[in-house]
Amino acid sequence: TQLLEQSPQFLSIQEGENLTVYCNSSSVFSSLQWYRQEPGEGPVLLVTVVTGGEVKKLKRLTFQFGDARKDSSLHITAAQPGDTGLYLCAGRSNAGGTSYGKLTFGQGTILTVHP
Amino acid sequence: NAGVTQTPKFQVLKTGQSMTLQCAQDMNHEYMSWYRQDPGMGLRLIHYSVGAGITDQGEVPNGYNVSRSTTEDFPLRLLSAAPSQTSVYFCASRVGQRGGNTIYFGEGSWLTVV
Repeated sequence: TQLLEQSPQFLSIQEGENLTVYCNSSSVFSSLQWYRQEPGEGPVLLVTVVTGGEVKKLKRLTFQFGDARKDSSLHITAAQPGDTGLYLCAGRSNAGGTSYGKLTFGQGTILTVHP
Repeated sequence: NAGVTQTPKFQVLKTGQSMTLQCAQDMNHEYMSWYRQDPGMGLRLIHYSVGAGITDQGEVPNGYNVSRSTTEDFPLRLLSAAPSQTSVYFCASRVGQRGGNTIYFGEGSWLTVV
């Protein structure tokens, strides 16, 4: 069973601070995704990274995929209250020859940004 | 465009009762799946389907059945509910093997088994 360890589990910061969320595994993934989930809603895809070492930026959010495709990080610059939510990483594996590409989710990071 | 629609939003069941969580998507997606979300455990795959008439087990399939008679619908059945099945359930869909990686989730169904 592939596992994705996400840390920290909880993060409470003040508006304007920077933060980093980590996602680590001993397994290699063909791609890794980051989702954001707000209370009462389903997760919404933020980004997909595919290539080892890849860095993607989405406004104040920077996503990085590790060189070995076993880990990833999400960095938020100058956090705002609107960034509050649950952040989930998910690794995709095509192991077993299936075309489906099952996702393995991390436990999630609950981020609270205080005004 | 409704996307992925789940019903009901909230449900309370007694142990041993059966029920079906409905899921429909209007995006003509090949792939559909059901996840459950529990505190501190992320989302875990229950069952998935790569097309009408084709289903397979995910990580935690015990106690759940699915069927895919049409492209649009993917119901999840609990035959004899247990308190361990208290959770938030999410249906999801994506284009398919030749499509992109974007997964679209429904808004979730909160199930409590007492």
